[in-house]
Amino acid sequence: GQNIDQPTEMTATEGAIVQINCTYQTSGFNGLFWYQQHAGEAPTFLSYNVLDGLEEKGRFSSFLSRSKGYSYLLLKELQMKDSASYLCAVSNSNSGYALNFGKGTSLLVTP
Amino acid sequence: DAGVTQSPTHLIKTRGQQVTLRCSPKSGHDTVSWYQQALGQGPQFIFQYYEEEERQRGNFPDRFSGHQFPNYSSELNVNALLLGDSALYLCASSPGQGAKGYTFGSGTRLTVV
Repeated sequence: GQNIDQPTEMTATEGAIVQINCTYQTSGFNGLFWYQQHAGEAPTFLSYNVLDGLEEKGRFSSFLSRSKGYSYLLLKELQMKDSASYLCAVSNSNSGYALNFGKGTSLLVTP
Repeated sequence: DAGVTQSPTHLIKTRGQQVTLRCSPKSGHDTVSWYQQALGQGPQFIFQYYEEEERQRGNFPDRFSGHQFPNYSSELNVNALLLGDSALYLCASSPGQGAKGYTFGSGTRLTVV
């Protein structure tokens, strides 16, 4: 099985930087995904890491360390619209590439 | 270009009833996966359909079944509904079985009373 852990809730101020951590335990690792989900809406793809290191995409960056089973999502220049749930998900070749999600981190951006 | 379309958006059913949820994948996608998302939780994988066959299945009972049609659209059926089946049911399509190209629909909110 897999165990994916991320904080339940986080609060940050508009304009600031926030880092959302995710740890996982799995065999047959085939990639780690970050999704954003606003309440009542579809999860939307943010990033994908399969090799160690940092992937930067605009205000969002994602980091992966496979040896540590660790990833983080970094959000810069926070905006009010960034208030959402952030889902960490691991793809596992042993389970046919199905995504296994953590419980999500609810981020609240305050003025 | 339409993304993933799910219907209905909301549904209320009584315990013991059966329900069918529908999904039309994004244009160009041939694989459909279904996920259940309980309130405050992450999505949980139910199963994946490719070439009209169930290819992978998560830890869900046989009450959950599905189908994929030649046009790649898919249905999720749940029999003998339980209160615990109340959740948001998400459909995700992809070009092939890999997860990298997943596009999610907005889901069907099922409430069992």
